[in-house]
Amino acid sequence: AQKITQTQPGMFVQEKEAVTLDCTYDTSDQSYGLFWYKQPSSGEMIFLIYQGSYDEQNATEGRYSLNFQKARKSANLVISASQLGDSAMYFCAMRVGSGYALNFGKGTSLLVTP
Amino acid sequence: NAGVTQTPKFRILKIGQSMTLQCTQDMNHNYMYWYRQDPGMGLKLIYYSVGAGITDKGEVPNGYNVSRSTTEDFPLRLELAAPSQTSVYFCASSYLNEQFFGPGTRLTVL
Repeated sequence: AQKITQTQPGMFVQEKEAVTLDCTYDTSDQSYGLFWYKQPSSGEMIFLIYQGSYDEQNATEGRYSLNFQKARKSANLVISASQLGDSAMYFCAMRVGSGYALNFGKGTSLLVTP
Repeated sequence: NAGVTQTPKFRILKIGQSMTLQCTQDMNHNYMYWYRQDPGMGLKLIYYSVGAGITDKGEVPNGYNVSRSTTEDFPLRLELAAPSQTSVYFCASSYLNEQFFGPGTRLTVL
């Protein structure tokens, strides 16, 4: 079974600091994809970053980077230089099966303080 | 491009009523999905489609039906609404590894 676990229900970080949001996954497939989405209070789902299981380099997108440790089955999101606008729910997700559907974790609520 | 659009944005249903949530995408994506998000939870897959005429069940399909007669449209039908279907519903489409989400429909069943 495919499973995504996010163990941090809530996190605080001070503005301009870096923060790491944890994500572990469980799959027996060799080919899979890992995603992070941001959901602000307005409710929309915003794609942040993607990591393929065969990608050798960790993915980066601006201030977002994905710390991919395949042997430990972890895909942590690192946000550098946090901004107040980063306050939101963050979801880790894994692509499952051949239909490209996503399996989501329960999310981590991030609050950035001044 | 409008991306993925969903209507309505909000809806209140009485128990036992039926309704259709509309979803349209203008990106010519073959893959489309319906998810539901309960309070404090991640999204769960209801149904998905890999192309016109082809649909399949996801993790939580009970109480829902879908159809896919065109590439653009992927409506979700709720028959005999129940309070357990109170949720936010997201439609999405995908090309390769990126999924594009609609803004969501907030449904309350009373």
